Amino acid sequence: GAVVSQHPSRVICKSGTSVKIECRSLDFQATTMFWYRQFPKQSLMLMATSNEGSKATYEQGVEKDKFLINHASLTLSTLTVTSAHPEDSSFYICSASGGRGSSGGDSPLHFGNGTRLTVT
Amino acid sequence: RKEVEQDPGPFNVPEGATVAFNCTYSNSASQSFFWYRQDCRKEPKLLMSVYSSGNEDGRFTAQLNRASQYISLLIRDSKLSDSATYLCVASWGGGADGLTFGKGTHLIIQP
Repeated sequence: GAVVSQHPSRVICKSGTSVKIECRSLDFQATTMFWYRQFPKQSLMLMATSNEGSKATYEQGVEKDKFLINHASLTLSTLTVTSAHPEDSSFYICSASGGRGSSGGDSPLHFGNGTRLTVT
Repeated sequence: RKEVEQDPGPFNVPEGATVAFNCTYSNSASQSFFWYRQDCRKEPKLLMSVYSSGNEDGRFTAQLNRASQYISLLIRDSKLSDSATYLCVASWGGGADGLTFGKGTHLIIQP
């Protein structure tokens, strides 16, 4: 089935540093990838839509200069949290559309396993 | 405003019981609906799509009521492993674009 790999799964960094998160579609081409953020006991909130070869589309309230997204190929999108602060600590999840689910059904999205970011 | 509303719970249910929960959506133009399951600190995984005619997958049954703008999930003969958060998802665009997630319903199956 379709697999999306996200790395790292957990990162702890100091305030002011930048963190890069990678999202790869392993067995299908993903022209569109999505980045979500999830705070504890909250739902997934879409941050931006990443399109291969073009600029990402950011949701209202998401700072594009702080959350840099690069989608350089059909299988890789990266999210860089620049100058991270403690309030950026969250669970970041990427997803990609396309491919077939492991159960045989067509999921609109295949999720990476998430990155738990802690900024100290 | 595009919203998907769910009762956050938690729903505490004894093992073997049947449990059902609903999700309401605000946009009548919504085209596709899904239930995702999310375990603690894990990524969401598709549980089932929700079709207009309703659909069943083993112990799970999903229903769509367009007139009242809600979808439901029924779990029969609940197992301990069913404990998770169930996310209701609506798509305004008919596909991956425009997906809106509910906040999830937390289900706890008790032995």
